Amino acid sequence: DTGVSQNPRHKITKRGQNVTFRCDPISEHNRLYWYRQTLGQGPEFLTYFQNEAQLEKSRLLSDRFSAERPKGSFSTLEIQRTEQGDSAMYLCASSLATTGANVLTFGAGSRLTVL
Amino acid sequence: EDQVTQSPEALRLQEGESSSLNCSYTVSGLRGLFWYRQDPGKGPEFLFTLYSAGEEKEKERLKATLTKKESFLHITAPKPEDSATYLCAVQGLSGGSYIPTFGRGTSLIVHP
Repeated sequence: DTGVSQNPRHKITKRGQNVTFRCDPISEHNRLYWYRQTLGQGPEFLTYFQNEAQLEKSRLLSDRFSAERPKGSFSTLEIQRTEQGDSAMYLCASSLATTGANVLTFGAGSRLTVL
Repeated sequence: EDQVTQSPEALRLQEGESSSLNCSYTVSGLRGLFWYRQDPGKGPEFLFTLYSAGEEKEKERLKATLTKKESFLHITAPKPEDSATYLCAVQGLSGGSYIPTFGRGTSLIVHP
Protein backbone atom coordinates (compact mmCIF):
# COMPACT_ATOMS: atom_id res chain seq x y z
CA ASP A 1 0.00 0.00 0.00
CA THR A 2 1.36 3.41 -0.95
CA GLY A 3 -0.41 5.31 1.83
CA VAL A 4 -2.87 8.18 1.41
CA SER A 5 -2.62 9.86 -1.98
CA GLN A 6 -3.80 13.39 -2.75
CA ASN A 7 -4.09 15.14 -6.09
CA PRO A 8 -3.25 17.66 -7.30
CA ARG A 9 -0.43 18.60 -4.93
CA HIS A 10 -0.62 22.23 -5.92
CA LYS A 11 -3.41 24.28 -7.45
CA ILE A 12 -3.35 27.94 -8.37
CA THR A 13 -6.67 29.44 -9.36
CA LYS A 14 -8.35 32.78 -9.80
CA ARG A 15 -10.97 34.03 -7.41
CA GLY A 16 -14.44 32.83 -8.37
CA GLN A 17 -13.29 29.60 -10.02
CA ASN A 18 -14.24 26.13 -8.81
CA VAL A 19 -11.59 23.62 -7.71
CA THR A 20 -11.73 19.93 -6.86
CA PHE A 21 -9.28 17.85 -4.85
CA ARG A 22 -9.12 14.08 -4.80
CA CYS A 23 -8.03 11.76 -1.99
CA ASP A 24 -7.30 8.04 -2.28
CA PRO A 25 -7.14 6.55 1.23
CA ILE A 26 -5.40 3.41 2.43
CA SER A 27 -7.51 0.65 0.92
CA GLU A 28 -8.60 -1.08 4.14
CA HIS A 29 -9.42 2.18 5.95
CA ASN A 30 -13.14 2.96 6.15
CA ARG A 31 -12.94 6.41 7.76
CA LEU A 32 -11.81 9.39 5.70
CA TYR A 33 -11.22 12.92 6.98
CA TRP A 34 -10.66 16.32 5.39
CA TYR A 35 -8.77 19.01 7.29
CA ARG A 36 -7.60 22.49 6.28
CA GLN A 37 -4.31 23.99 7.48
CA THR A 38 -3.03 27.54 7.09
CA LEU A 39 0.49 28.75 7.85
CA GLY A 40 1.35 28.58 11.52
CA GLN A 41 -1.90 26.85 12.44
CA GLY A 42 -2.81 23.28 13.24
CA PRO A 43 -5.12 21.21 11.03
CA GLU A 44 -8.76 22.37 11.23
CA PHE A 45 -11.47 19.75 10.82
CA LEU A 46 -13.76 20.10 7.79
CA THR A 47 -15.68 16.84 7.40
CA TYR A 48 -15.43 13.06 7.71
CA PHE A 49 -16.91 9.90 6.22
CA GLN A 50 -17.38 6.39 7.44
CA ASN A 51 -17.60 4.27 4.31
CA GLU A 52 -19.77 6.34 1.93
CA ALA A 53 -21.72 8.16 4.65
CA GLN A 54 -20.75 11.73 5.52
CA LEU A 55 -21.12 11.65 9.30
CA GLU A 56 -20.10 15.14 10.34
CA LYS A 57 -19.32 18.55 8.89
CA SER A 58 -17.71 21.49 10.66
CA ARG A 59 -20.17 24.25 11.54
CA LEU A 60 -17.59 26.65 10.13
CA LEU A 61 -17.71 24.98 6.73
CA SER A 62 -19.15 27.28 4.08
CA ASP A 63 -21.87 25.94 1.77
CA ARG A 64 -19.38 26.56 -1.05
CA PHE A 65 -17.57 23.44 0.16
CA SER A 66 -18.88 20.00 -0.68
CA ALA A 67 -17.35 16.56 -0.24
CA GLU A 68 -18.29 13.15 -1.55
CA ARG A 69 -17.08 9.60 -1.11
CA PRO A 70 -18.88 7.47 -3.67
CA LYS A 71 -18.84 3.75 -2.93
CA GLY A 72 -16.74 4.33 0.16
CA SER A 73 -13.49 4.50 -1.74
CA PHE A 74 -11.82 7.73 -2.91
CA SER A 75 -13.16 11.12 -1.89
CA THR A 76 -13.42 14.51 -3.56
CA LEU A 77 -13.55 17.95 -1.98
CA GLU A 78 -14.97 20.69 -4.18
CA ILE A 79 -14.77 24.40 -3.45
CA GLN A 80 -17.10 26.56 -5.52
CA ARG A 81 -16.58 30.27 -6.21
CA THR A 82 -13.18 30.31 -4.52
CA GLU A 83 -12.16 33.27 -2.36
CA GLN A 84 -8.68 34.39 -1.33
CA GLY A 85 -9.43 33.20 2.21
CA ASP A 86 -9.69 29.65 0.88
CA SER A 87 -5.93 29.60 0.25
CA ALA A 88 -4.60 26.83 2.46
CA MET A 89 -3.26 23.29 2.55
CA TYR A 90 -6.10 20.76 2.31
CA LEU A 91 -5.19 17.55 4.11
CA CYS A 92 -6.87 14.19 3.72
CA ALA A 93 -6.46 11.43 6.28
CA SER A 94 -7.83 7.93 6.68
CA SER A 95 -8.19 5.46 9.54
CA LEU A 96 -9.76 2.20 10.55
CA ALA A 97 -13.11 2.53 12.30
CA THR A 98 -12.68 1.48 15.93
CA THR A 99 -14.49 2.31 19.14
CA GLY A 100 -11.24 3.60 20.60
CA ALA A 101 -8.91 6.38 19.62
CA ASN A 102 -8.29 6.11 15.91
CA VAL A 103 -4.90 6.99 14.49
CA LEU A 104 -5.10 9.09 11.33
CA THR A 105 -2.73 8.53 8.43
CA PHE A 106 -2.36 11.75 6.46
CA GLY A 107 -1.61 12.38 2.84
CA ALA A 108 0.92 14.97 1.71
CA GLY A 109 -1.83 17.54 1.17
CA SER A 110 -3.11 19.69 -1.68
CA ARG A 111 -1.99 23.30 -1.53
CA LEU A 112 -4.49 25.82 -2.90
CA THR A 113 -3.55 29.37 -3.85
CA VAL A 114 -6.38 31.69 -4.83
CA LEU A 115 -5.27 34.82 -6.68
CA GLU B 1 -15.94 21.27 22.80
CA ASP B 2 -12.47 19.72 22.85
CA GLN B 3 -9.61 22.22 23.11
CA VAL B 4 -5.83 21.90 22.75
CA THR B 5 -3.19 24.53 23.57
CA GLN B 6 0.46 23.95 22.76
CA SER B 7 3.46 25.81 24.09
CA PRO B 8 5.86 27.22 23.24
CA GLU B 9 4.88 28.21 19.69
CA ALA B 10 8.51 27.99 18.64
CA LEU B 11 11.62 26.53 20.22
CA ARG B 12 15.25 26.76 19.16
CA LEU B 13 17.73 24.30 20.64
CA GLN B 14 21.37 23.49 20.18
CA GLU B 15 22.15 19.94 19.20
CA GLY B 16 22.22 17.84 22.37
CA GLU B 17 20.20 20.36 24.42
CA SER B 18 17.23 18.47 25.88
CA SER B 19 13.85 20.14 26.36
CA SER B 20 10.09 19.54 26.59
CA LEU B 21 7.04 20.61 24.61
CA ASN B 22 3.72 21.11 26.38
CA CYS B 23 0.17 20.24 25.31
CA SER B 24 -2.70 21.33 27.57
CA TYR B 25 -6.10 19.91 26.75
CA THR B 26 -9.77 20.07 27.70
CA VAL B 27 -12.10 17.20 26.84
CA SER B 28 -15.22 15.70 28.34
CA GLY B 29 -13.65 12.28 28.63
CA LEU B 30 -10.46 11.33 26.82
CA ARG B 31 -10.56 8.69 24.13
CA GLY B 32 -6.94 9.34 23.22
CA LEU B 33 -4.19 11.98 22.93
CA PHE B 34 -1.95 11.94 19.88
CA TRP B 35 1.42 13.41 18.95
CA TYR B 36 2.30 13.95 15.31
CA ARG B 37 5.39 15.31 13.58
CA GLN B 38 5.01 17.54 10.51
CA ASP B 39 7.82 18.48 8.15
CA PRO B 40 7.44 21.57 5.91
CA GLY B 41 5.13 20.98 2.95
CA LYS B 42 4.12 17.51 4.16
CA GLY B 43 1.24 15.95 6.03
CA PRO B 44 1.48 15.11 9.74
CA GLU B 45 3.17 11.81 10.62
CA PHE B 46 1.95 9.82 13.60
CA LEU B 47 4.25 9.43 16.59
CA PHE B 48 2.30 8.29 19.69
CA THR B 49 -1.12 7.66 21.18
CA LEU B 50 -1.65 8.00 24.95
CA TYR B 51 -4.86 6.84 26.57
CA SER B 52 -4.75 7.46 30.31
CA ALA B 53 -2.96 9.55 32.94
CA GLY B 54 0.40 8.16 33.92
CA GLU B 55 1.03 6.51 30.58
CA GLU B 56 4.40 7.03 28.87
CA LYS B 57 5.68 6.06 25.42
CA GLU B 58 9.15 6.33 23.89
CA LYS B 59 10.59 6.34 20.41
CA GLU B 60 14.28 7.04 19.87
CA ARG B 61 14.96 10.50 21.40
CA LEU B 62 11.27 11.23 22.04
CA LYS B 63 9.23 10.42 25.13
CA ALA B 64 5.57 11.34 25.59
CA THR B 65 3.85 11.52 28.96
CA LEU B 66 0.25 12.18 29.98
CA THR B 67 -1.55 13.67 32.98
CA LYS B 68 -5.25 14.46 33.37
CA LYS B 69 -4.74 17.98 32.01
CA GLU B 70 -1.61 17.97 29.86
CA SER B 71 0.92 15.98 27.92
CA PHE B 72 4.62 16.55 27.48
CA LEU B 73 6.86 15.56 24.61
CA HIS B 74 10.38 15.28 25.97
CA ILE B 75 13.23 15.47 23.49
CA THR B 76 16.52 14.09 24.76
CA ALA B 77 19.80 15.13 23.11
CA PRO B 78 18.07 16.34 19.93
CA LYS B 79 19.70 16.25 16.51
CA PRO B 80 19.14 18.63 13.57
CA GLU B 81 16.95 16.00 11.91
CA ASP B 82 14.47 16.38 14.78
CA SER B 83 13.64 19.86 13.46
CA ALA B 84 9.93 19.89 12.58
CA THR B 85 6.55 21.06 13.86
CA TYR B 86 5.13 18.83 16.57
CA LEU B 87 1.35 18.66 16.74
CA CYS B 88 -0.78 17.47 19.64
CA ALA B 89 -4.36 16.27 19.11
CA VAL B 90 -7.10 14.92 21.36
CA GLN B 91 -10.11 12.77 20.68
CA GLY B 92 -12.88 13.05 23.26
CA LEU B 93 -15.75 10.78 24.14
CA SER B 94 -18.55 13.31 23.68
CA GLY B 95 -21.34 12.50 21.24
CA GLY B 96 -19.69 9.41 19.82
CA SER B 97 -17.44 11.63 17.75
CA TYR B 98 -14.27 10.25 16.23
CA ILE B 99 -12.76 13.58 15.24
CA PRO B 100 -9.31 14.49 16.56
CA THR B 101 -8.92 18.19 17.49
CA PHE B 102 -5.44 19.59 16.85
CA GLY B 103 -3.41 22.29 18.53
CA ARG B 104 -1.40 24.90 16.62
CA GLY B 105 1.83 23.01 17.08
CA THR B 106 5.33 23.79 18.32
CA SER B 107 7.91 24.59 15.68
CA LEU B 108 11.24 23.07 16.75
CA ILE B 109 14.56 24.03 15.22
CA VAL B 110 17.69 22.19 16.32
CA HIS B 111 20.96 23.89 15.41
CA PRO B 112 24.10 21.81 14.80
